[in-house]
Amino acid sequence: GAVVSQHPSWVICKSGTSVKIECRSLDFQATTMFWYRQFPKQSLMLMATSNEGSKATYEQGVEKDKFLINHASLTLSTLTVTSAHPEDSSFYICSARDQARGDYNEQFFGPGTRLTVL
Amino acid sequence: AQKITQTQPGMFVQEKEAVTLDCTYDTSDPSYGLFWYKQPSSGEMIFLIYQGSYDQQNATEGRYSLNFQKARKSANLVISASQLGDSAMYFCAMRDMDSNYQLIWGAGTKLIIKP
Repeated sequence: GAVVSQHPSWVICKSGTSVKIECRSLDFQATTMFWYRQFPKQSLMLMATSNEGSKATYEQGVEKDKFLINHASLTLSTLTVTSAHPEDSSFYICSARDQARGDYNEQFFGPGTRLTVL
Repeated sequence: AQKITQTQPGMFVQEKEAVTLDCTYDTSDPSYGLFWYKQPSSGEMIFLIYQGSYDQQNATEGRYSLNFQKARKSANLVISASQLGDSAMYFCAMRDMDSNYQLIWGAGTKLIIKP
């Protein structure tokens, strides 16, 4: 149980285009999902916290108009990178919080999406 | 402010030896949770072990154990009998109870196991 999927696994796009990344909790309901960005050989950087049915909370320095997050259902959150540029190339990871578990290990990670902008 | 510090950017260890990965933390909250994750080159985050601030005993999960020294605010990961498959990035993280339970991450340690 507690599986989180991400789609696509990797994507290559041209500069100026938009890319949508999906994060799904497959066997639990996730009222909260987190989006991270990770550059090579660095740690995870939290971009935003996504709560179902409400606007995402963005971390300082993250452009909300560039990284659009939608959490329309309890099992799906999407991150859209608008007008992507080469500097947006990174590894994007989502995690979903299963509040119903009631134990400590309540956050589960997707496998990540590697974005390359040409 | 809460903070996680991992001071070892990289480590080389001989196969079958034990290895300790350092992690120190800073928080004023009496209730917190500490996690260790493994990230192989594929990128997935693999949960290894958890220690709660009120847990009396050090956590253990198979070959993984957590050396929790609360007074020193350290939560080092010990891997016994290392294997080639243990080569990966290892991240220490702390759960922020006040902020949607988000995780605060250390910089990570790159562990390479030598045959």
